[in-house]
Amino acid sequence: AQTVTQSQPEMSVQEAETVTLSCTYDTSESNYYLFWYKQPPSRQMILVIRQEAYKQQNATENRFSVNFQKAAKSFSLKISDSQLGDTAMYFCAFVIQGAQKLVFGQGTRLTINP
Amino acid sequence: EADIYQTPRYLVIGTGKKITLECSQTMGHDKMYWYQQDPGMELHLIHYSYGVNSTEKGDLSSESTVSRIRTEHFPLTLESARPSHTSQYLCASSANRRVNEKLFFGSGTQLSVL
Repeated sequence: AQTVTQSQPEMSVQEAETVTLSCTYDTSESNYYLFWYKQPPSRQMILVIRQEAYKQQNATENRFSVNFQKAAKSFSLKISDSQLGDTAMYFCAFVIQGAQKLVFGQGTRLTINP
Repeated sequence: EADIYQTPRYLVIGTGKKITLECSQTMGHDKMYWYQQDPGMELHLIHYSYGVNSTEKGDLSSESTVSRIRTEHFPLTLESARPSHTSQYLCASSANRRVNEKLFFGSGTQLSVL
């Protein structure tokens, strides 16, 4: 079975700090894709960043970057220069090639304090 | 921004009532999904569709049913609501069959069955 584990139910940092959210997953497949989604309070969930498992280079989107460790099956999200608008639930997810369906982690509630 | 809409946003209803949660997208996406999410928990896929007249059950067993008569519309129906159906229901869509295609989410329907 494919599983995703986010071990940090809640995190809280000060504005402008850097924060890292952890995610581990379990699969026996070698071809898959990883995602981080953000769900702000009372707003729509949106994609933050995605990574193809066959790519060794870590994905980056502005202040958001990932640390993808395939052997360790780890996919952490780093948010640099955190902003108040980063306050949200963050979900790690992955899909294996051919499965067509995302598997989500339990989420991490991130609060950015002024 | 995502052009996917869910109505109602909140629904409080008595046990035994029939309800339909609406989901529409104006992006012409073939793939649509329904997820169930309890507070602070991961998303569970309950239904998905690859196109008109195509519907499949997801990983989480659900007493709900769906239909896909038009590309843009993917309603979810509960014939007889029960308190165990109380949850948030999220609708999502994606452009095509590539597994790494990002999902666009609606704002969700928070359902409470008394």
